[in-house]
Amino acid sequence: DARVTQTPRHKVTEMGQEVTMRCQPILGHNTVFWYRQTMMQGLELLAYFRNRAPLDDSGMPKDRFSAEMPDATLATLKIQPSEPRDSAVYFCASGLSVGNSGANVLTFGAGSRLTVL
Amino acid sequence: SQQGEEDPQALSIQEGENATMNCSYKTSINNLQWYRQNSGRGLVHLILIRSNEREKHSGRLRVTLDTSKKSSSLLITASRAADTASYFCATEEYGTSYGKLTFGQGTILTVHP
Repeated sequence: DARVTQTPRHKVTEMGQEVTMRCQPILGHNTVFWYRQTMMQGLELLAYFRNRAPLDDSGMPKDRFSAEMPDATLATLKIQPSEPRDSAVYFCASGLSVGNSGANVLTFGAGSRLTVL
Repeated sequence: SQQGEEDPQALSIQEGENATMNCSYKTSINNLQWYRQNSGRGLVHLILIRSNEREKHSGRLRVTLDTSKKSSSLLITASRAADTASYFCATEEYGTSYGKLTFGQGTILTVHP
């Protein structure tokens, strides 16, 4: 089965350090999402790419977070500098969206668990 | 902000009973989807219902959609201990943000053997 691959699976770092999370979406999918999951906030949408173009990053703290898709096989989420409140599980998901009435069914990666001390 | 709001937040039932979870949303949608998440894992797609559909079935799952009330329900019949998980609704927006999925807070379902 095709899968979304996320690295690292676990990351422990100290406050102030840079953190980069990577995602390999499923080949042929044209949408990529980054979500953050915490007990308090649930699943928050951080960034949404369609055909590698960023369409929505309104949920992302712009001063420290950045999301990019340098090519169709790689999406990155970077936090610089990291803070303890960034501790969460970060999920990448990809899907195929065709046209305005198409259905975009997402496949999720296993997540990257980040702990900032 | 969350588009979908699930109700209840937690549900505890015995094996063999039915489980019903509800989801409300705010904006016009192309479709509504339900996902399941086992502890420590990523979300897995269960079922999708389009905005012009009212009911859909898949195995032991039944989903309804009422666009006039902006609400949906997920029914799991004859539940099993293996159904224990968190269940999330997700709405795919209509219009310029098509393809974008926003998730609710989820319902934690516990099925006791």
